[in-house]
Amino acid sequence: QKEVEQDPGPLSVPEGAIVSLNCTYSNSAFQYFMWYRQYSRKGPELLMYTYSSGNKEDGRFTAQVDKSSKYISLFIRDSQPSDSATYLCAMRDTGNQFYFGTGTSLTVIP
Amino acid sequence: EPEVTQTPSHQVTQMGQEVILRCVPISNHLYFYWYRQILGQKVEFLVSFYNNEISEKSEIFDDQFSVERPDGSNFTLKIRSTKLEDSAMYFCASQGALNIQYFGAGTRLSVL
Repeated sequence: QKEVEQDPGPLSVPEGAIVSLNCTYSNSAFQYFMWYRQYSRKGPELLMYTYSSGNKEDGRFTAQVDKSSKYISLFIRDSQPSDSATYLCAMRDTGNQFYFGTGTSLTVIP
Repeated sequence: EPEVTQTPSHQVTQMGQEVILRCVPISNHLYFYWYRQILGQKVEFLVSFYNNEISEKSEIFDDQFSVERPDGSNFTLKIRSTKLEDSAMYFCASQGALNIQYFGAGTRLSVL
């Protein structure tokens, strides 16, 4: 059973669209939730970090965590071509092992 | 802005050879990690390191792997006898007080 499930896409949207990216998980011990952006052949870059249920907003990005449903989301408003990348969700419990989703490939078309 | 630095960016080696991948974490961070990403697959946790010892390791991190912090700045991953299936991107990450990990750009390991 996979710890973290993420639809790999690919997802293609027009510029200006709202993008919704999602992950589900099975381990109720996960307490920390992150979204990373990864450009081709680069390391993951942290976008959002949260440790509680609810919403967290940073500019055009909103991270949403629903611990009761074991479901997290990342919303991107007014998407730009520069947002084209692979988006990885990641989570961990109180230990030091991080679990990543497979990543969702996003293309924003000008 | 502080960053995690990895060298080399690309390492080519023959099967059975030993390789050492190097990382310079962010200077005031305390936790260090190695991850592997096989082409087209997910980022996989290998090992975490804290206070000069392994904190956690995954099933992937078997006896052919070892990590070391030989001085106050470098953090290395050694693969003793490389196999074809070790070909992947290897990412180093460091983590500070806020439990946020910062990743390096990665080393692409190609085993021939």
